[in-house]
Amino acid sequence: NAGVTQTPKFQVLKTGQSMTLQCAQDMNHEYMSWYRQDPGMGLRLIHYSVGAGITDQGEVPNGYNVSRSTTEDFPLRLLSAAPSQTSVYFCASSYNRYNEQFFGPGTRLTVL
Amino acid sequence: AQTVTQSQPEMSVQEAETVTLSCTYDTSESDYYLFWYKQPPSRQMILVIRQEAYKQQNATENRFSVNFQKAAKSFSLKISDSQLGDAAMYFCAYRSQYSGGGADGLTFGKGTHLIIQP
Repeated sequence: NAGVTQTPKFQVLKTGQSMTLQCAQDMNHEYMSWYRQDPGMGLRLIHYSVGAGITDQGEVPNGYNVSRSTTEDFPLRLLSAAPSQTSVYFCASSYNRYNEQFFGPGTRLTVL
Repeated sequence: AQTVTQSQPEMSVQEAETVTLSCTYDTSESDYYLFWYKQPPSRQMILVIRQEAYKQQNATENRFSVNFQKAAKSFSLKISDSQLGDAAMYFCAYRSQYSGGGADGLTFGKGTHLIIQP
């Protein structure tokens, strides 16, 4: 049981490049979410999903896209990276929206 | 929208002593969930303790306990017998009972950096 996994752990992009942050969980959780953590800040919700095929925006969704084609996977796409997207990104999952959220190890992204 | 405030950017405590981390929140809801998460230097987010607003009894997990004051909208974390492994960032988080939009997730405070002095 690997829990929540995220790849890559580190990534450096140039402005305008695109990439996908991968997130997977093997706990059969329905609820998955993406957060970003900036220095001196707590985590802020980007997008979330309450089940396969269902996604919605969180507090800071601009510049990010998500999809949920399977229960296990919830990738986060940056279509055209900007320096303001330099951050640490966390994926989390839970049985439902009210239960404990389990977090992945995070991805540190730097956009030059 | 709800807000969570942690007024102590940094706290320091001697090993084996007790420390209390403060958290206040702003909400108009009557039912909600509150959490304390620990983030050590490894950056992994670890749930420490959880409190449902409808429960009057304060949650306890081993050396960790909370003082939940619903009327005052206060949710402090007490760590007893502090250990070196407790050194970390601690985040207070709020979860609405409602779903949809930005309300469907955790709202975090900015965190308190806890230092344990040996």
